[in-house]
Amino acid sequence: GAGVSQSPSNKVTEKGKDVELRCDPISGHTALYWYRQSLGQGLEFLIYFQGNSAPDKSGLPSDRFSAERTGGSVSTLTIQRTQQEDSAAYLCASSPRTSGKVSGANVLTFGAGSRLTVL
Amino acid sequence: ELKVEQNPLFLSMQEGKNYTIYCNYSTTSDRLYWYRQDPGKSLESLFVLLSNGAVKQEGRLMASLDTKARLSTLHITAAVHDLSATYFCAVDTVNNDMRFGAGTRLTVKP
Repeated sequence: GAGVSQSPSNKVTEKGKDVELRCDPISGHTALYWYRQSLGQGLEFLIYFQGNSAPDKSGLPSDRFSAERTGGSVSTLTIQRTQQEDSAAYLCASSPRTSGKVSGANVLTFGAGSRLTVL
Repeated sequence: ELKVEQNPLFLSMQEGKNYTIYCNYSTTSDRLYWYRQDPGKSLESLFVLLSNGAVKQEGRLMASLDTKARLSTLHITAAVHDLSATYFCAVDTVNNDMRFGAGTRLTVKP
Protein backbone atom coordinates (compact mmCIF):
# COMPACT_ATOMS: atom_id res chain seq x y z
CA GLY A 1 0.00 0.00 0.00
CA ALA A 2 0.93 3.64 -0.18
CA GLY A 3 1.45 3.99 3.53
CA VAL A 4 1.37 2.10 6.81
CA SER A 5 -2.19 1.23 7.70
CA GLN A 6 -3.33 0.50 11.24
CA SER A 7 -6.67 -0.70 12.51
CA PRO A 8 -8.71 -0.02 14.45
CA SER A 9 -7.92 3.67 14.75
CA ASN A 10 -9.74 3.77 18.07
CA LYS A 11 -10.69 0.97 20.43
CA VAL A 12 -12.53 1.20 23.71
CA THR A 13 -12.63 -1.98 25.74
CA GLU A 14 -13.44 -3.15 29.22
CA LYS A 15 -10.78 -4.20 31.65
CA GLY A 16 -10.02 -7.90 31.31
CA LYS A 17 -10.93 -8.19 27.64
CA ASP A 18 -8.47 -9.15 24.92
CA VAL A 19 -7.71 -6.80 22.01
CA GLU A 20 -6.00 -7.23 18.68
CA LEU A 21 -4.35 -4.37 16.84
CA ARG A 22 -3.39 -4.74 13.21
CA CYS A 23 -0.62 -3.19 11.15
CA ASP A 24 -0.32 -3.40 7.38
CA PRO A 25 3.13 -2.09 6.41
CA ILE A 26 4.27 -0.56 3.17
CA SER A 27 4.54 -3.24 0.51
CA GLY A 28 8.07 -4.60 0.35
CA HIS A 29 9.15 -3.26 3.73
CA THR A 30 10.83 -6.09 5.58
CA ALA A 31 11.28 -4.38 8.93
CA LEU A 32 8.29 -3.65 11.16
CA TYR A 33 8.24 -1.97 14.56
CA TRP A 34 5.64 -1.55 17.30
CA TYR A 35 5.81 1.31 19.80
CA ARG A 36 3.53 2.46 22.59
CA GLN A 37 2.91 6.12 23.32
CA SER A 38 1.05 7.02 26.47
CA LEU A 39 -0.66 10.40 26.61
CA GLY A 40 1.97 13.12 26.48
CA GLN A 41 4.80 10.61 26.71
CA GLY A 42 7.58 9.43 24.44
CA LEU A 43 7.75 6.30 22.35
CA GLU A 44 8.23 3.05 24.22
CA PHE A 45 9.75 0.31 22.06
CA LEU A 46 7.72 -2.90 22.11
CA ILE A 47 8.94 -5.27 19.41
CA TYR A 48 10.75 -5.36 16.09
CA PHE A 49 10.23 -7.81 13.23
CA GLN A 50 12.61 -8.63 10.41
CA GLY A 51 10.48 -10.59 7.98
CA ASN A 52 8.39 -12.96 10.08
CA SER A 53 10.87 -13.29 12.91
CA ALA A 54 11.26 -11.04 15.91
CA PRO A 55 14.94 -10.58 16.77
CA ASP A 56 14.03 -8.26 19.61
CA LYS A 57 11.03 -8.85 21.86
CA SER A 58 12.65 -7.16 24.82
CA GLY A 59 10.22 -4.28 24.94
CA LEU A 60 7.04 -6.24 25.49
CA PRO A 61 5.93 -5.06 28.96
CA SER A 62 4.44 -8.33 30.17
CA ASP A 63 3.40 -11.79 29.04
CA ARG A 64 -0.05 -10.37 28.31
CA PHE A 65 1.46 -8.78 25.22
CA SER A 66 2.30 -10.79 22.13
CA ALA A 67 2.84 -10.04 18.48
CA GLU A 68 3.14 -11.97 15.29
CA ARG A 69 3.80 -11.27 11.68
CA THR A 70 2.75 -13.56 8.88
CA GLY A 71 3.90 -13.68 5.28
CA GLY A 72 6.44 -10.98 6.01
CA SER A 73 3.63 -8.46 5.83
CA VAL A 74 0.71 -7.87 8.21
CA SER A 75 1.43 -7.85 11.93
CA THR A 76 -0.95 -8.26 14.85
CA LEU A 77 -0.29 -7.01 18.38
CA THR A 78 -2.44 -8.83 20.92
CA ILE A 79 -3.03 -7.66 24.46
CA GLN A 80 -4.71 -10.20 26.72
CA ARG A 81 -6.67 -9.37 29.85
CA THR A 82 -6.30 -5.65 29.27
CA GLN A 83 -5.60 -3.34 32.20
CA GLN A 84 -6.23 0.37 32.50
CA GLU A 85 -2.50 1.07 32.29
CA ASP A 86 -2.55 -0.42 28.78
CA SER A 87 -4.45 2.66 27.60
CA ALA A 88 -2.22 4.36 25.05
CA ALA A 89 -1.64 4.90 21.36
CA TYR A 90 0.02 1.94 19.69
CA LEU A 91 2.13 3.00 16.74
CA CYS A 92 3.40 0.75 14.00
CA ALA A 93 6.21 1.66 11.62
CA SER A 94 7.93 -0.08 8.75
CA SER A 95 11.14 0.34 6.78
CA PRO A 96 12.91 -1.41 3.92
CA ARG A 97 15.88 -2.25 6.17
CA THR A 98 17.06 -5.83 5.82
CA SER A 99 19.12 -7.86 8.23
CA GLY A 100 22.80 -8.56 7.83
CA LYS A 101 25.39 -5.88 7.28
CA VAL A 102 23.83 -2.61 8.26
CA SER A 103 24.60 0.54 6.37
CA GLY A 104 22.81 3.63 5.19
CA ALA A 105 19.67 5.20 6.52
CA ASN A 106 16.81 3.36 8.17
CA VAL A 107 13.95 5.83 7.94
CA LEU A 108 10.75 4.57 9.53
CA THR A 109 7.34 5.33 8.08
CA PHE A 110 4.70 5.43 10.77
CA GLY A 111 1.05 4.57 10.67
CA ALA A 112 -1.59 6.83 12.22
CA GLY A 113 -1.74 4.60 15.29
CA SER A 114 -4.41 2.70 17.21
CA ARG A 115 -5.65 4.53 20.27
CA LEU A 116 -6.68 2.05 22.97
CA THR A 117 -8.81 3.02 25.96
CA VAL A 118 -9.37 0.46 28.68
CA LEU A 119 -12.26 1.29 30.97
CA GLU B 1 20.63 -1.27 26.98
CA LEU B 2 20.59 1.73 24.68
CA LYS B 3 19.28 4.88 26.31
CA VAL B 4 18.30 7.99 24.40
CA GLU B 5 17.83 11.15 26.42
CA GLN B 6 16.44 14.43 25.22
CA ASN B 7 16.35 17.78 26.89
CA PRO B 8 14.50 19.84 27.48
CA LEU B 9 11.28 17.84 27.53
CA PHE B 10 9.17 20.97 27.36
CA LEU B 11 10.13 24.19 25.65
CA SER B 12 8.12 27.37 25.37
CA MET B 13 9.61 29.98 23.08
CA GLN B 14 8.74 33.39 21.80
CA GLU B 15 8.54 33.84 18.07
CA GLY B 16 11.80 35.07 16.62
CA LYS B 17 13.99 33.50 19.29
CA ASN B 18 16.65 30.80 18.90
CA TYR B 19 17.01 27.63 20.90
CA THR B 20 18.69 24.21 20.84
CA ILE B 21 17.30 20.78 21.71
CA TYR B 22 19.80 18.16 22.82
CA CYS B 23 19.82 14.41 22.28
CA ASN B 24 22.31 12.17 24.09
CA TYR B 25 22.59 8.44 23.59
CA SER B 26 24.42 5.77 25.50
CA THR B 27 26.01 3.42 22.99
CA THR B 28 28.09 3.70 19.86
CA SER B 29 26.04 4.63 16.83
CA ASP B 30 26.65 6.77 13.79
CA ARG B 31 23.06 6.96 12.66
CA LEU B 32 20.65 9.36 14.25
CA TYR B 33 17.24 10.60 13.16
CA TRP B 34 14.94 13.45 14.03
CA TYR B 35 11.16 13.14 13.73
CA ARG B 36 8.34 15.59 14.19
CA GLN B 37 4.91 14.82 15.64
CA ASP B 38 2.02 17.26 15.41
CA PRO B 39 -0.78 16.93 17.98
CA GLY B 40 -3.02 13.97 17.20
CA LYS B 41 -0.81 12.92 14.32
CA SER B 42 1.86 10.32 13.82
CA LEU B 43 5.59 10.86 13.40
CA GLU B 44 7.20 12.19 10.27
CA SER B 45 10.89 12.04 9.39
CA LEU B 46 12.76 15.35 9.54
CA PHE B 47 16.48 14.64 9.35
CA VAL B 48 18.80 11.71 8.82
CA LEU B 49 22.35 12.03 10.16
CA LEU B 50 24.67 9.23 9.09
CA SER B 51 28.17 10.24 10.12
CA ASN B 52 30.20 12.17 12.62
CA GLY B 53 30.01 15.86 11.88
CA ALA B 54 26.92 15.51 9.70
CA VAL B 55 24.82 18.65 9.48
CA LYS B 56 21.41 18.96 7.85
CA GLN B 57 19.26 22.06 7.49
CA GLU B 58 15.66 22.57 6.50
CA GLY B 59 14.24 26.06 6.81
CA ARG B 60 14.62 27.27 10.41
CA LEU B 61 15.78 23.87 11.70
CA MET B 62 19.34 22.58 11.67
CA ALA B 63 20.47 19.21 13.01
CA SER B 64 24.00 18.05 13.73
CA LEU B 65 25.68 14.89 14.99
CA ASP B 66 28.79 14.37 17.09
CA THR B 67 29.29 10.61 17.36
CA LYS B 68 32.29 10.92 19.66
CA ALA B 69 30.27 12.84 22.20
CA ARG B 70 27.16 10.71 21.41
CA LEU B 71 25.26 13.95 21.00
CA SER B 72 22.93 15.40 18.42
CA THR B 73 21.46 18.88 18.47
CA LEU B 74 18.42 20.37 16.80
CA HIS B 75 18.80 24.12 16.52
CA ILE B 76 15.82 26.38 15.97
CA THR B 77 16.48 29.76 14.41
CA ALA B 78 13.96 32.62 14.63
CA ALA B 79 11.12 30.36 15.73
CA VAL B 80 7.66 30.69 14.19
CA HIS B 81 4.34 29.31 15.40
CA ASP B 82 4.28 26.61 12.70
CA LEU B 83 7.23 24.93 14.40
CA SER B 84 5.08 24.07 17.43
CA ALA B 85 5.17 20.26 17.66
CA THR B 86 6.90 17.45 19.52
CA TYR B 87 10.36 16.59 18.26
CA PHE B 88 11.89 13.16 18.77
CA CYS B 89 15.41 11.95 18.20
CA ALA B 90 16.02 8.28 17.48
CA VAL B 91 19.10 6.10 17.33
CA ASP B 92 19.58 3.19 15.00
CA THR B 93 21.42 0.26 16.58
CA VAL B 94 23.47 -2.47 14.97
CA ASN B 95 20.54 -4.83 15.55
CA ASN B 96 18.29 -2.58 13.44
CA ASP B 97 16.41 -1.57 16.56
CA MET B 98 15.26 2.02 16.55
CA ARG B 99 15.05 3.61 19.98
CA PHE B 100 13.49 7.00 20.55
CA GLY B 101 14.01 9.73 23.08
CA ALA B 102 11.13 10.97 25.23
CA GLY B 103 10.46 13.87 22.91
CA THR B 104 10.63 17.65 23.29
CA ARG B 105 7.28 19.41 23.23
CA LEU B 106 7.87 22.79 21.62
CA THR B 107 5.40 25.63 21.88
CA VAL B 108 6.13 28.84 19.99
CA LYS B 109 4.18 31.83 21.25
CA PRO B 110 3.54 35.08 19.38
